[in-house]
Amino acid sequence: DAGITQSPRHKVTETGTPVTLRCHQTENHRYMYWYRQDPGHGLRLIHYSYGVKDTDKGEVSDGYSVSRSKTEDFLLTLESATSSQTSVYFCAISEAGRNTEAFFGQGTRLTVV
Amino acid sequence: AQRVTQPEKLLSVFKGAPVELKCNYSYSGSPELFWYVQYSRQRLQLLLRHISRESIKGFTADLNKGETSFHLKKPFAQEEDSAMYYCALSFSGGYNKLIFGAGTRLAVHP
Repeated sequence: DAGITQSPRHKVTETGTPVTLRCHQTENHRYMYWYRQDPGHGLRLIHYSYGVKDTDKGEVSDGYSVSRSKTEDFLLTLESATSSQTSVYFCAISEAGRNTEAFFGQGTRLTVV
Repeated sequence: AQRVTQPEKLLSVFKGAPVELKCNYSYSGSPELFWYVQYSRQRLQLLLRHISRESIKGFTADLNKGETSFHLKKPFAQEEDSAMYYCALSFSGGYNKLIFGAGTRLAVHP
């Protein structure tokens, strides 16, 4: 398995609380991504990073922010969790270049009650 | 806008039967297409990519630009093929961001 780990693996939180998910890689890949997985939607991109301190929004970025202060860490923050953010969150990494493979973390199951 | 469509949520077959998981895409340029698979309790992993024209675990997929399709095929399904399959598209200059279809669950029965 590629060296990519997510923490926590499971979390239950209350509506309105902030939540931070962490993605850590040991592969030194330049690009990092956060996706959410929902039935009927597949995986949708939340935010991505193309370098340290370089991030941009994806398809479903509302209510989320990210930070990348080091190559190896990419943090996803739900500023004020809502029930619609209950989902499975996947971090992924890839090298620069065309047709490169994306490597995925194990996923974080987040439940907002 | 780029889009990937997988019309089947569930495909149920018996062991030894042929399998075809459909994938259609919309993109005006030259797409980069992939199939990712997620086995139970495992992380998502690459199955194959169109540029490689390879066969992995007996699966093949051919890019048909005229029909904008990238269907995944296997002549004889095995029980261990049961998984969730995602077709995904990437594009030049897009930082390798992936646009996924909704996924098809393949169930292979003994």
